[in-house]
Amino acid sequence: QKEVEQNSGPLSVPEGAIASLNCTYSDRGSQSFFWYRQYSGKSPELIMFIYSNGDKEDGRFTAQLNKASQYVSLLIRDSQPSDSATYLCAVRKDYGQNFVFGPGTRLSVLP
Amino acid sequence: EAQVTQNPRYLITVTGKKLTVTCSQNMNHEYMSWYRQDPGLGLRQIYYSMNVEVTDKGDVPEGYKVSRKEKRNFPLILESPSPNQTSLYFCASTLASGRAVNEQFFGPGTRLTVL
Repeated sequence: QKEVEQNSGPLSVPEGAIASLNCTYSDRGSQSFFWYRQYSGKSPELIMFIYSNGDKEDGRFTAQLNKASQYVSLLIRDSQPSDSATYLCAVRKDYGQNFVFGPGTRLSVLP
Repeated sequence: EAQVTQNPRYLITVTGKKLTVTCSQNMNHEYMSWYRQDPGLGLRQIYYSMNVEVTDKGDVPEGYKVSRKEKRNFPLILESPSPNQTSLYFCASTLASGRAVNEQFFGPGTRLTVL
């Protein structure tokens, strides 16, 4: 079992819809969780992080964390074509700098 | 402008020829990391550094070396590159803050091909 798993996609949604991206992790000691967006040929950029159970909202983005289920999700409301990218889930294993990334989910928002 | 720079951006080399990929950040960050990205595998951490002269192995350190002699620089060294090290490499830096969560800033990437 991989440490961090994501649906490989591609995930296609129509413009204006809600895109739901999922991530599971295996290490129960993981402390904080990150969602990055990566456009083709570009470097990853941070969208959100979360470290407490529950929901965290930032504009059109909502991150959800359930530590008991070892599950993190990212919801994108009112999806736009500019949201088309690969979304990477990352887990910080301790309070240092050891990060584990999932393989990414490619999202395509259709106009 | 706050940034992480990497050089070279593209490199084609042959098996066994030592190479160094440089990484530099101008944000006075303590933490720096190297990742490789391969299709279907995502980003995998090679090495990270918590401060000058402090480095630690990530998940895939075999075949790589790093050094952190200055705070701003964190070069990645491949002493004897092999074709399985063909990949896209990213350097990243983060401000240290104990248990608080800080953003990792990524460099533009270096695409390495080993023939």
